Amino acid sequence: SAVISQKPSRDICQRGTSLTIQCQVDSQVTMMFWYRQQPGQSLTLIATANQGSEATYESGFVIDKFPISRPNLTFSTLTVSNMSPEDSSIYLCSVGTGGPTGELFFGEGSRLTVL
Amino acid sequence: AQSVTQLGSHVSVSEGALVLLRCNYSSSVPPYLFWYVQYPNQGLQLLLKYTTGATLVKGINGFEAEFKKSETSFHLTKPSAHMSDAAEYFCAVSESTGGFKTIFGAGTRLFVKA
Repeated sequence: SAVISQKPSRDICQRGTSLTIQCQVDSQVTMMFWYRQQPGQSLTLIATANQGSEATYESGFVIDKFPISRPNLTFSTLTVSNMSPEDSSIYLCSVGTGGPTGELFFGEGSRLTVL
Repeated sequence: AQSVTQLGSHVSVSEGALVLLRCNYSSSVPPYLFWYVQYPNQGLQLLLKYTTGATLVKGINGFEAEFKKSETSFHLTKPSAHMSDAAEYFCAVSESTGGFKTIFGAGTRLFVKA
């Protein structure tokens, strides 16, 4: 299993600013994922972050808007840049320890409100 | 690409009644299928999963799901609902992409009436 801590748990931000979300895992993991959960909706995969390589972004998400760092096997950050109200969401960090057949573990999420 | 469809964004049952949450998937390869539950203001946690072998899988809290390849379905059931089962339930499919990624359905919110 894996225990994931995210910071901040919630924040209120002004339009046009940027916010960096941190994800700390209690064990070394290869695969880390960032998801967005918009109000009342499902999880949408933003990108896969592997240590030592560039993040792989899903369709509709770009590095300039959502830069990701993965400096080691226990930590990652997601930055939401130049925010607009449409970026108001819960951002979830997730790790997979067992490949495609294994369970994903999730942090409690970072609830972001953009005014 | 694989996808997941959950029928019914909201399901309401009485306490003690059968819970049935529907999930259909599309995949060109044998899928890995999951059900996750999300309680209010919490992250997701795994209920159960199907990878290979027995098509009826049992999970936590009395839930089970049956993989039916012919119907491309993976419906979640529980014989008797409890008030504590009220939550959001997500069906998901995992695919290998060099690494792997997991795609989630839209979710079904379960309401349990006393």
